[in-house]
Amino acid sequence: NAGVTQTPKFRVLKTGQSMTLLCAQDMNHEYMYWYRQDPGMGLRLIHYSVGEGTTAKGEVPDGYNVSRLKKQNFLLGLESAAPSQTSVYFCASSYPAGGPGGETQYFGPGTRLLVL
Amino acid sequence: AQTVTQSQPEMSVQEAETVTLSCTYDTSESDYYLFWYKQPPSRQMILVIRQEAYKQQNATENRFSVNFQKAAKSFSLKISDSQLGDAAMYFCAYRSYAWNTGNQFYFGTGTSLTVIP
Repeated sequence: NAGVTQTPKFRVLKTGQSMTLLCAQDMNHEYMYWYRQDPGMGLRLIHYSVGEGTTAKGEVPDGYNVSRLKKQNFLLGLESAAPSQTSVYFCASSYPAGGPGGETQYFGPGTRLLVL
Repeated sequence: AQTVTQSQPEMSVQEAETVTLSCTYDTSESDYYLFWYKQPPSRQMILVIRQEAYKQQNATENRFSVNFQKAAKSFSLKISDSQLGDAAMYFCAYRSYAWNTGNQFYFGTGTSLTVIP
């Protein structure tokens, strides 16, 4: 049981390049989330998904796209990277609130992205 | 949207002493969850303790306990017998029950805890 995994762990991009971050979970969670963490800002929600084939915008969605083609995977894409997207990105998953297990969110180890 | 405020960017405590980290939140919901997460230098987010809003009894986990004041919208974390391994960034978080926003989690900006030997 690997929990939540993220690929890659670290990446350096040049401005304008594109990349995809992969998040995978093996806990059969319906909900998945992408956050970015910047110094002094805590974790801010980029996009989330409440089920396979559905996605929605969070607090800071501009410059990012997501897809959830399979229940266990949640992809975060940067089409044209900018230095402002230098950050640590966390993926998380959970059951819905109010149901069994819905009180906990499980995090991946994070991806450190540097955009030059 | 809900907001979570941690007013102490940095705190320090002597080893074996007790420290309390503060957290307040703003919400109009009656049901929700509250959490404290620990983030050591490894960056891994580790759940420390959680509290369901409908429960009046304060949650405890070994040396960690909370003081949950629902009317005051306050959720402080007390760490007793502090250990060197407790040094980390601590985040307070709120989970909404609102289905139309994906039961989102809202995080505070964190409190950096230093443990002095």
